Amino acid sequence: QVQLVQSGSEVKNPGASMKVSCKASGYTFTDYYLHWVRQAPGEGLEWMGWINPDSGGTNYAQKFQGRITMTRDTSISTAYMELSSLRSDDTAMYYCARDLWAAGFFDYWGQGTLLSVSS
Amino acid sequence: EIVMTQSPATLSVSPGERATLSCRASQSLSSKFAWYQQKPGQAPRLLIYAETTRATGIPARFSGSGSGTEFTLTISSLQSEDFAIYYCQQYRSWPYTFGQGTKLEIK
Repeated sequence: QVQLVQSGSEVKNPGASMKVSCKASGYTFTDYYLHWVRQAPGEGLEWMGWINPDSGGTNYAQKFQGRITMTRDTSISTAYMELSSLRSDDTAMYYCARDLWAAGFFDYWGQGTLLSVSS
Repeated sequence: EIVMTQSPATLSVSPGERATLSCRASQSLSSKFAWYQQKPGQAPRLLIYAETTRATGIPARFSGSGSGTEFTLTISSLQSEDFAIYYCQQYRSWPYTFGQGTKLEIK
């Protein structure tokens, strides 16, 4: 069965960077785009960008341009999202999500990784 | 950026009754529209994509409809497990955007 398993919670100081992993199983990793979506506490969902695991190509939401990097390691079917220059308003749950048919909607989601940014 | 607006913010419905949730887009989406359900402490779950198509494993009591910029999610007979937050999403253009959510609560 399809699974996306994310790395564990993180606590960071303002200005630091964080890198979340998303390990895929149950399907061919390179066949489906992966997106990252975040959710601040008690808030709605915010799309951050996608990576094409086959080519490594990426597309980031303008809001995060310059401080987000998405990468992948096809040998271990794992995608990564790194966010730098962290601020308190980056405190959120971060999800990876599989994109069915590269259409832009998400049929499987990771369990989420909680990031807390606090001094 | 396409703005998605959901209404109402909270909907109180009794089990067994019908629930109707709405979402409006600031531009036409050409059916590139999805609904998700999220329960506390869980990731969102895809319910509907392409405006009207139920995702794999989603019960028939969930249905989507709409046209252009106005969309509706109908749950025909509410079960206890349906009380959750529902989000709409557009994938017509980047950045993909979500509505702010409708909380469906037990009346």
